[in-house]
Amino acid sequence: DTAVSQTPKYLVTQMGNDKSIKCEQNLGHDTMYWYKQDSKKFLKIMFSYNNKELIINETVPNRFSPKSPDKAHLNLHINSLELGDSAVYFCASSQGGPRQETQYFGPGTRLLVL
Amino acid sequence: QKEVEQNSGPLSVPEGAIASLNCTYSDRVSQSFFWYRQYSGKSPELIMSIYSNGDKEDGRFTAQLNKASQYVSLLIRDSQPSDSATYLCAPPLRGSYIPTFGRGTSLIVHP
Repeated sequence: DTAVSQTPKYLVTQMGNDKSIKCEQNLGHDTMYWYKQDSKKFLKIMFSYNNKELIINETVPNRFSPKSPDKAHLNLHINSLELGDSAVYFCASSQGGPRQETQYFGPGTRLLVL
Repeated sequence: QKEVEQNSGPLSVPEGAIASLNCTYSDRVSQSFFWYRQYSGKSPELIMSIYSNGDKEDGRFTAQLNKASQYVSLLIRDSQPSDSATYLCAPPLRGSYIPTFGRGTSLIVHP
């Protein structure tokens, strides 16, 4: 069983389009995250949700809107895609709290904006 | 100062040698530190966590933490070609328990 899954794995789209990436975890964790890894491999946190509530938003443009329908799912919707949005987007989950911070990552979604 | 600084490498070591990976961080109150490994085209995975000053050993891996110097390192003994990957240092994001990642050090272990 896959612990953290993401769909789609690959996404190629045109500038200006709107797209969504879905994430699900079956680990029973309370906290979920979205990370962006750019072409230079820098892995940067975008959002964190705990029990469906947003707890971290790291100066991400408001074209990016996360949605958490329940604590096992955290989806990412991106409006008006730009060339600079091309990256690998990783979803992750953790139990949260002190000494329970281990991040379990999904396989990533490779987004290419043309 | 950047929150997390690592030498991007690549660090090249021969098989069987000790690989030494270093990381400095800026948040003086950080209490927990993590090392993740990321193979090319794959997602990061945790290999070590350390919370106290000193050394922590797990198999061929040893993490060393010096909070006074704001420095954490990872030693890999008897390096194997399968250790070739990018190693990400991850102290917590300021004021939270959430890891924030450095750019990573690329390690190449050659036979």
